[in-house]
Amino acid sequence: EPEVTQTPSHQVTQMGQEVILRCVPISNHLYFYWYRQILGQKVEFLVSFYNNEISEKSEIFDDQFSVERPDGSNFTLKIRSTKLEDSAMYFCASSGISSSYNEQFFGPGTRLTVL
Amino acid sequence: AQSVTQLGSHVSVSEGALVLLRCNYSSSVPPYLFWYVQYPNQGLQLLLKYTSAATLVKGINGFEAEFKKSETSFHLTKPSAHMSDAAEYFCAVRDAGGADGLTFGKGTHLIIQP
Repeated sequence: EPEVTQTPSHQVTQMGQEVILRCVPISNHLYFYWYRQILGQKVEFLVSFYNNEISEKSEIFDDQFSVERPDGSNFTLKIRSTKLEDSAMYFCASSGISSSYNEQFFGPGTRLTVL
Repeated sequence: AQSVTQLGSHVSVSEGALVLLRCNYSSSVPPYLFWYVQYPNQGLQLLLKYTSAATLVKGINGFEAEFKKSETSFHLTKPSAHMSDAAEYFCAVRDAGGADGLTFGKGTHLIIQP
C-alpha cells in the first residue's frame, strides 16, 4: 500500500541553524501539507501546497518557514533560523483528486529538537 | 474560523467496556470530519471519516462515529474496548475544499484498564 515517507526520523540542531525536513508524498497525489505537534499539544496545520505554490498557510508559518517541491517526488519544509520553540514533531501529509473527499495521508513524522 | 472541541483530555475505561470519545465542531456549513489515532511514537492513522454520504460511519478496528448536525457532534464509539486501543485520538475537521488544512482538536488519551 502506498505511504508517505519522511526523513530523517529525528533531527537535532543548534538554535539559529537551518534545517530541511524531507517528505515523499504518495506518488499520484497533488495536495501536500505540513503540520507540527509540539510535545503534549495538538496537531497544528502549517501550510498546504498545490500546483507548485502555497495554497493556504497558518499564522505559525512565518517568514522563517518555506516549502518547496524540488522535483517530482520530494516535498520539503525549510526552517531558516531555528528557535527553541520550533522543537516539535513535524508531519507531512498528502491527498489527491482520487482520494475520497480529500482524505489526507500522514507520514510517520520527523522529530526536530532544537538545542 | 473552524474549531474542534474534544471533551476530556483523558478517558479511562475497562477492557471490554464501551468506549465513547466526544467531539464537537463549529462550522458554518457541514464539514468533512475525521478521527485519527496516534499510537506512542508513531504518526497519525485515519480511523474513519464523515463525508455526508451516511451519518453513521464505520471505521477500522471496530470503531464507529455518528454525525449529528443538530448537535454539531461527531462522537467516536467502540462497543468493547481492547488493550490495544490505548492511544491518543484526535478529531479533525475541514471545509469542502481541495487544499484546506485540517483543524484538529486537542486530543483524548484513551486508557484501557485491565
